[in-house]
Parts: sequence; structure tokens; C-alpha cells
Amino acid sequence: EAQVTQNPRYLITVTGKKLTVTCSQNMNHEYMSWYRQDPGLGLRQIYYSMNVEVTDKGDVPEGYKVSRKEKRNFPLILESPSPNQTSLYFCASSFDGDNQPQHFGDGTRLSIL
Amino acid sequence: GQNIDQPTEMTATEGAIVQINCTYQTSGFNGLFWYQQHAGEAPTFLSYNVLDGLEEKGRFSSFLSRSKGYSYLLLKELQMKDSASYLCATRDQGGKLIFGQGTELSVKP
Repeated sequence: EAQVTQNPRYLITVTGKKLTVTCSQNMNHEYMSWYRQDPGLGLRQIYYSMNVEVTDKGDVPEGYKVSRKEKRNFPLILESPSPNQTSLYFCASSFDGDNQPQHFGDGTRLSIL
Repeated sequence: GQNIDQPTEMTATEGAIVQINCTYQTSGFNGLFWYQQHAGEAPTFLSYNVLDGLEEKGRFSSFLSRSKGYSYLLLKELQMKDSASYLCATRDQGGKLIFGQGTELSVKP
């Protein structure tokens, strides 16, 4: 089944404790992206990657890191999480960064205490 | 920079037609997407417009006017299951995506 898989789905952690949210897609998509969704602010793009070893900042990259060493994986790293990074996070992928629609993972709910 | 505006909430009656508007200001415009998102779920793709005009897909249609920076999503024969948030998003030529805040549609019996 074609899908985007995020892990974990839920996480409660404390300020400053490094964490990684994994994202994997099995559709051979070139484009991958991370978003956060907050009430009243909608979906905001954190980082995106047009292909392997290519990453670019979205609208809200501060406090996050990503890497794209393989086509299928695009992990989101929070080196030193803070409470303002408490949010619902979505990973998505598409065949390319042009006119192809995004396929979204099921989301990861992060709570930083 | 890029900016997208859409109404926060709309209410419509089952069986009716509803139009959800989206206005945008973007540099290097390279297409506009509409997504549907049910509460607690991931967004799912509805439509894509890059040229002016109307794209029809069953009960859903989407319109784009690039000169006016305007799009709308038209939902016909509304069903209760259409109650959801509808997200408008633009993509620039570098691949960056900007989403609007979403329009929460409530369909009443």
C-alpha cells in the first residue's frame, strides 16, 4: 500500500531533550516536506526537499533540522525542543515539486513540557 | 512574500451548493491546490489549478483566475460527510508551499 509513515504518532517530552520524528514513503517520491499545524495558524511548512541531499527552508524552520540522505526517508530533528514547538506535525511527499499533490502521513502530536 | 486568505468558517445545508473563496498574493506562482481535512485526520488532495478556468471533478469543482489572485472551490449536492476543513495552498516555482488557515465547513441537515 502506498503510504507516508510517521513515527511516533504521539510524544510527550521535556524541554531540551533532543528528539527525532521519522518519516518514510514507499512511492519513490522525489519531493518531501514537513509541516506543523496550530489552531488559527493553519499548516505551515518547516522544511522541504526536492530530492536526495537537497533541502530548503520553509516558512518556519527555526529550531528544526532535517536531512535527506535517502530518497524514502526525511527525518525531522528537534535538537533542543521548547514548549512553543508543541504542535501537530505532518510529513508529506509528492512525485515532484511541481504540480503533483502531496500525500500526507497521519501526523505526529508532540507535547513539549 | 506569499499570503493566502480564506474565510474561517462557513455553514451550509445538506443538498445545497457552497463556494469557498481563496485569495492569494505570491511571487513565482506555480499552481494552487485544494485539500480537505477532517477533524483529527491528515489532509487529502482535492484539486489542482495552474491555468485560468474551471476544473471539475464530480461534485467538486475548482476555479482559478491568476490575474485576480483568486480561486474558489465549489461543492455541489452537499453531504454531511463534507463537513471538514478546506485548505487552499499555493506553490512557488522553487517548490515551496504556503497554506491558508483553512475554512471550516459545517453541513447541517
